[in-house]
Amino acid sequence: GQSLEQPSEVTAVEGAIVQINCTYQTSGFYGLSWYQQHDGGAPTFLSYNALDGLEETGRFSSFLSRSDSYGYLLLQELQMKDSASYFCAVRDRDYGQNFVFGPGTRLSVLP
Amino acid sequence: EPEVTQTPSHQVTQMGQEVILRCVPISNHLYFYWYRQILGQKVEFLVSFYNNEISEKSEIFDDQFSVERPDGSNFTLKIRSTKLEDSAMYFCASSEEGSSNYGYTFGSGTRLTVV
Repeated sequence: GQSLEQPSEVTAVEGAIVQINCTYQTSGFYGLSWYQQHDGGAPTFLSYNALDGLEETGRFSSFLSRSDSYGYLLLQELQMKDSASYFCAVRDRDYGQNFVFGPGTRLSVLP
Repeated sequence: EPEVTQTPSHQVTQMGQEVILRCVPISNHLYFYWYRQILGQKVEFLVSFYNNEISEKSEIFDDQFSVERPDGSNFTLKIRSTKLEDSAMYFCASSEEGSSNYGYTFGSGTRLTVV
């Protein structure tokens, strides 16, 4: 089976940097993805890491350590519009390489 | 920008009734998926579909569920006899290929309420 853990809530102020961690346990790991979901909206793809290291896309970066079964999403220069839920998702052999989502982290950005 | 379209946006149905949720994936995508999200909870995988057949399904996707691609554009999820616990947001998604460098594109979802 699979198990993913994320903090349930994170709060930060505009302009700050926030890191959302994700730890996972899975028998057939292929890669880790991050999705953003605003209230009432669809999940939106942010990043995918298959190899160890840091991937940067604008203000967002994603990191993976396969040996530690750990990854994080780093959001820099936070803006109010970044307030949303963030889900890590593991691509898992046991699900035919489809994604299994974590419980999500609700990020609140304060002025 | 291409998008995945889902209809209806909201559906209310009585317990025991059949519902069909409809999706139009992005036209050049080959892989299609259904996920669901019970209010306030995580997104759960239901089924993946490729080359006109189910490629993988979760334990949630029991005999009450079926998927179909009736023509070249639509992708449907049918729940044969709805239960109260089927109430959730149902998301359709598609991807260009099986690899994940570009992730899945999700539709805006259908909110299903079973009463």
